[in-house]
Amino acid sequence: GENVEQHPSTLSVQEGDSAVIKCTYSDSASNYFPWYKQELGKGPQLIIDIRSNVGEKKDQRIAVTLNKTAKHFSLHITETQPEDSAVYFCAALNSGGYQKVTFGTGTKLQVIP
Amino acid sequence: NAGVTQTPKFRVLKTGQSMTLLCAQDMNHEYMYWYRQDPGMGLRLIHYSVGEGTTAKGEVPDGYNVSRLKKQNFLLGLESAAPSQTSVYFCASRRGGTGGPSSYNEQFFGPGTRLTVL
Repeated sequence: GENVEQHPSTLSVQEGDSAVIKCTYSDSASNYFPWYKQELGKGPQLIIDIRSNVGEKKDQRIAVTLNKTAKHFSLHITETQPEDSAVYFCAALNSGGYQKVTFGTGTKLQVIP
Repeated sequence: NAGVTQTPKFRVLKTGQSMTLLCAQDMNHEYMYWYRQDPGMGLRLIHYSVGEGTTAKGEVPDGYNVSRLKKQNFLLGLESAAPSQTSVYFCASRRGGTGGPSSYNEQFFGPGTRLTVL
């Protein structure tokens, strides 16, 4: 089955700096890679996703890059703000079949004002 | 729309007790999932359903049972609770279908149920 590794497990940045979270996956059949943000006491919420036929996707201060050859994908947050503080999860799935999503272990991001 | 709701929000059980967690969604989604979240281990899939009347095992199904008698509800049961089942449980739903736009793939999560087994 799919295995997703996520690094780092914790990340502290100064407000205004950039944050990068990296994930690797094992199943070459995976073709959809979402990122979820989980705020304290809440369920995860999708913030951005990317398909395997795209190398990069941006949405305001958030961007995701994908390297299919190396089976790497990364989340980039620019101009971080205190409200970006949360736990971020990467995930991978094969969008054929029943789509069992495999999640990474999470990164706790702290943005220091 | 309420989205995905979970009942109860908190529960404390003694070893050997049973309970049922209820998940409800009002988005007419086909797929529903139960996850558990433990520190340092991310979200692990317990069971899932691809439609009314169907269920399937996920990554960590032992000690749990599920039922999907109605499309909008997905129940997770613990027949004989154990301390190892202390966790935060999340339900999620997805529109369904294969491929397609993100709207088909996005999972919507409930707020979670914090369960402690003593």
